[in-house]
Amino acid sequence: GAGVSQSPSNKVTEKGKDVELRCDPISGHTALYWYRQSLGQGLEFLIYFQGNSAPDKSGLPSDRFSAERTGGSVSTLTIQRTQQEDSAVYLCASSLGLTGGSGETQYFGPGTRLLVL
Amino acid sequence: GIQVEQSPPDLILQEGANSTLRCNFSDSVNNLQWFHQNPWGQLINLFYIPSGTKQNGRLSATTVATERYSLLYISSSQTTDSGVYFCAVDFLYNFNKFYFGSGTKLNVKP
Repeated sequence: GAGVSQSPSNKVTEKGKDVELRCDPISGHTALYWYRQSLGQGLEFLIYFQGNSAPDKSGLPSDRFSAERTGGSVSTLTIQRTQQEDSAVYLCASSLGLTGGSGETQYFGPGTRLLVL
Repeated sequence: GIQVEQSPPDLILQEGANSTLRCNFSDSVNNLQWFHQNPWGQLINLFYIPSGTKQNGRLSATTVATERYSLLYISSSQTTDSGVYFCAVDFLYNFNKFYFGSGTKLNVKP
């Protein structure tokens, strides 16, 4: 079946503009995660959704970042008034959301490469 | 503070060699996963292993939760094993907020 998809694959924007990144999780996966990976670095947790709710938003770096998920499926990550330090790869992952075992295995999308000029 | 530390940071192997990658974590974990990020950036889950030992082909992993570390073993390495290996954990006091280590960059030479 289809894996996690993300769009766009690449985005170049000017400082101060808003951008919207999209994630389509694997069908039936209730848990969805957003991460950010700066060049040559590990992954930084941004936010986690269980269904449409986000119990933990503490990873969002500033109030310019927001995310939503509708219908328990597609999620969008919005960055307002982009800054150059927002340049990174934004990765989305999904899992079945079941406690324990393979139900918690995360499957990653290919990422969106964001460059803020 | 919260720490997930991986070692070594870089590893160069000749094809056919074996290696051990280590992940230390600072508190009791709910979930620990190992991932491989290929040179094109795609992350692939290798193991879900909060405790115990698992094997999948040439790869195996062991997590000793009481001592707060996990090991990933790669045997008979191949050039396709090259990339970055990450461990990721969430802690018992904060489910689903995952912390990634800084990774081990592996280069397998033919």
